[in-house]
Amino acid sequence: QKEVEQDPGPLSVPEGAIVSLNCTYSNSAFQYFMWYRQYSRKGPELLMYTYSSGNKEDGRFTAQVDKSSKYISLFIRDSQPSDSATYLCAMSPNQAGTALIFGKGTTLSVSS
Amino acid sequence: SQTIHQWPATLVQPVGSPLSLECTVEGTSNPNLYWYRQAAGRGLQLLFYSVGIGQISSEVPQNLSASRPQDRQFILSSKKLLLSDSGFYLCALRLAGGREQFFGPGTRLTVL
Repeated sequence: QKEVEQDPGPLSVPEGAIVSLNCTYSNSAFQYFMWYRQYSRKGPELLMYTYSSGNKEDGRFTAQVDKSSKYISLFIRDSQPSDSATYLCAMSPNQAGTALIFGKGTTLSVSS
Repeated sequence: SQTIHQWPATLVQPVGSPLSLECTVEGTSNPNLYWYRQAAGRGLQLLFYSVGIGQISSEVPQNLSASRPQDRQFILSSKKLLLSDSGFYLCALRLAGGREQFFGPGTRLTVL
């Protein structure tokens, strides 16, 4: 079983839709969880960063972590064509200096 | 805030030729630095990371090497490129005490 699983998509939605992106993981030691957005031919950009379980909201984006289920989600409300990108989840255990473990990314396309 | 520069942005090289990719960082001191390769359908592969000048850890045995001659400079090299070295190379940094990573714009390498 891979440490982090992420459905690659592609996921296609109309403008204004609510988008749900998800990752599952197997290592219960993961404590830090991140979502990155990557536009085509660009470097990943940090979108959301959460520690342990719970929700975090930033504008149209909400990140959820359910450590009991080893499941994290990113919700995008009122999706826009500019949200079309690949979304990567990443996570890390508590130890300092440990590298991030990334999902392979989900490609999202929002049509106008 | 910190800025990551990568040079060159794109590169086309013949098989067997040498490689040198440069990453420089501004706006921070003593960061952890990382080299990743992103190939289509394979996600982000961690190649090397460095916690300080002259300190390099290799994650994947291959014909690539890395060096950190200065605190804010990270170099990825190869003596002889293989076709399989083609990909999108990303430099990333992690601030001291932080968990999240920030990525540079990337270098797209094509080996022919």
